[in-house]
Amino acid sequence: GEDVEQSLFLSVREGDSSVINCTYTDSSSTYLYWYKQEPGAGLQLLTYIFSNMDMKQDQRLTVLLNKKDKHLSLRIADTQTGDSAIYFCAGPGTGGGNKLTFGTGTQLKVEL
Amino acid sequence: SQTIHQWPATLVQPVGSPLSLECTVEGTSNPNLYWYRQAAGRGLQLLFYSVGIGQISSEVPQNLSASRPQDRQFILSSKKLLLSDSGFYLCAWRFPSGNTIYFGEGSWLTVV
Repeated sequence: GEDVEQSLFLSVREGDSSVINCTYTDSSSTYLYWYKQEPGAGLQLLTYIFSNMDMKQDQRLTVLLNKKDKHLSLRIADTQTGDSAIYFCAGPGTGGGNKLTFGTGTQLKVEL
Repeated sequence: SQTIHQWPATLVQPVGSPLSLECTVEGTSNPNLYWYRQAAGRGLQLLFYSVGIGQISSEVPQNLSASRPQDRQFILSSKKLLLSDSGFYLCAWRFPSGNTIYFGEGSWLTVV
């Protein structure tokens, strides 16, 4: 089945770019996702990328997909204090039911 | 538009007591429904998913059960809670042929 890994913490200064990385194992993944979780809240879908794409840009967010290395990244330009949260990457699980397998999450801390 | 609600938002229950968390989705028919748990370690674990009324798939053996008595209602239950059941429980839904999972606000369960 799908295995998704992320680093646990990232600290950046306000105004800098943040890059959150994720690796996955299932090469048959069709869509890969980034979710954001603010403290005490549910997960909010940020963006997703289809596996036939290398890059997707949405305002301050850029998703890069390296299929050869099975590496997914989320770049946040001009990071703001409101971007402080936990970011999860996710890919399809196995066994039907349209499940998602989530990484452990990367906690982004934005410092002034 | 579609909305998802789950309740209660916060729950403190003694060990051995029963549990019932409810989730409803509005604005769509025959959604795929999911219960995830987020324990202190922050990772998300899929507990149950359902592709239709009365159809429940369990991902991990545990002290919990799920039911889907109506098309857009998903219930997470336990007859006797354990301390290890504490965590943040997230309900989620997906269009039957969709690719993206959308989450509810989450329910904090503390078993004391």
